[in-house]
Amino acid sequence: QSALTQPASVSGSPGQSITISCTGTSSDVGGYNYVSWYQQHPGKAPKLMIYDVSNRPSGVSNRFSGSKSGNTASLTISGLQAEDEADYYCSSYTSSSTHVFGGGTKLTVL
Amino acid sequence: QVQLVQSGAEVKKPGASVKVSCKASGYTFTSYGISWVRQAPGQGLEWMGWISAYNGNTNYAQKLQGRVTMTTDTSTSTAYMELRSLRSDDTAVYYCARAYGDDPWEAFDIWGQGTMVTVSS
Repeated sequence: QSALTQPASVSGSPGQSITISCTGTSSDVGGYNYVSWYQQHPGKAPKLMIYDVSNRPSGVSNRFSGSKSGNTASLTISGLQAEDEADYYCSSYTSSSTHVFGGGTKLTVL
Repeated sequence: QVQLVQSGAEVKKPGASVKVSCKASGYTFTSYGISWVRQAPGQGLEWMGWISAYNGNTNYAQKLQGRVTMTTDTSTSTAYMELRSLRSDDTAVYYCARAYGDDPWEAFDIWGQGTMVTVSS
């Protein structure tokens, strides 16, 4: 199972919006509404930000939103804040009954 | 509060085995699955497998089939991940993560603190 494709890095200024893409295939992202997104700060465990494509767990800011079109899922962060600077990973359930992660995207807040 | 507490760091020689534990608290252990995810130094996340804490069903990543075994002990609300025939590229931080429910497709909502496993001669 190949990793999902994410941009290596994205950046934005405080207050702006950014979008991180996550491209897979019809056997994972395109075939299931089981895409999730994780935020990871250096030296910390990942944190669930979005599950089932567009749902936010309790406690996650509504500045974070998710969507999907075909084989590509997206995470949008609006009103960018300094604390959003982190690595972001997408994940999808697959037709092999496994999960696959994206390679990760480093978000820099300028 | 809901938390997963993992066992401490391990240093192993190539060819050895390691068993990492993950003790759950603050929720009904058998109502949720547990996935294991690892992260090599400076690298991304890699899903290793999932176990149902309800009935012990497992799904493993194909590349680890035959080397990994995931188990649970419901009497102590603890999950275990054993990896055998260790190689240098198994050096990583190993995380346990609670699945959002007891189905294999669920996202991972609660994470342990991570266990560093170093494989070195």
